[in-house]
Amino acid sequence: AQTVTQSQPEMSVQEAETVTLSCTYDTSENNYYLFWYKQPPSRQMILVIRQEAYKQQNATENRFSVNFQKAAKSFSLKISDSQLGDTAMYFCAFMKRNFGNEKLTFGTGTRLTIIP
Amino acid sequence: DTAVSQTPKYLVTQMGNDKSIKCEQNLGHDTMYWYKQDSKKFLKIMFSYNNKELIINETVPNRFSPKSPDKAHLNLHINSLELGDSAVYFCASSPATSGANVLTFGAGSRLTVL
Repeated sequence: AQTVTQSQPEMSVQEAETVTLSCTYDTSENNYYLFWYKQPPSRQMILVIRQEAYKQQNATENRFSVNFQKAAKSFSLKISDSQLGDTAMYFCAFMKRNFGNEKLTFGTGTRLTIIP
Repeated sequence: DTAVSQTPKYLVTQMGNDKSIKCEQNLGHDTMYWYKQDSKKFLKIMFSYNNKELIINETVPNRFSPKSPDKAHLNLHINSLELGDSAVYFCASSPATSGANVLTFGAGSRLTVL
């Protein structure tokens, strides 16, 4: 079974600063995907970024980027130029590649607060 | 148009009652899911259906019965509600392709059992 660990329950940074959220996972699979989801106070789960394990290049989406270290089973999220709207719970998630039978395994989340 | 819509958004009920949460997606996806988020914000899969067929049942008590009348709908019926069932329930859907099937989530339904 896969496990996802987020060791930072809470973080806070000043607006415009850069912040990195940590995530490690444990799996014996070789084909899988990793995701970061954001859950703002509205409760909606929003996909931030995803990474295919077979790709060595780190995924980026505007101010969001990841540092994917496959051998170390580490998948951290970097948020650059943080904005007040980035305040949310952030969940790291793992998905084994299994056609038609995928499921997301989530970490326990990191509550990020951006301070004005 | 909301891609994945759940109703109701809030539900308050007494222990022992039976309640249902409905979910509909207009994305044309083949796979639908129910996830439970507990009071500590931990998200865990409960069920998944692919084109109306049950694929994943994650050791959920049989008081929980999902029903998928067609691939655009996945409803969750809960019998004999218990205090521990209080949570936010998320419906989600994804396409059945060979790539990373990104899940699109609904806004969640907060169930409070008194």
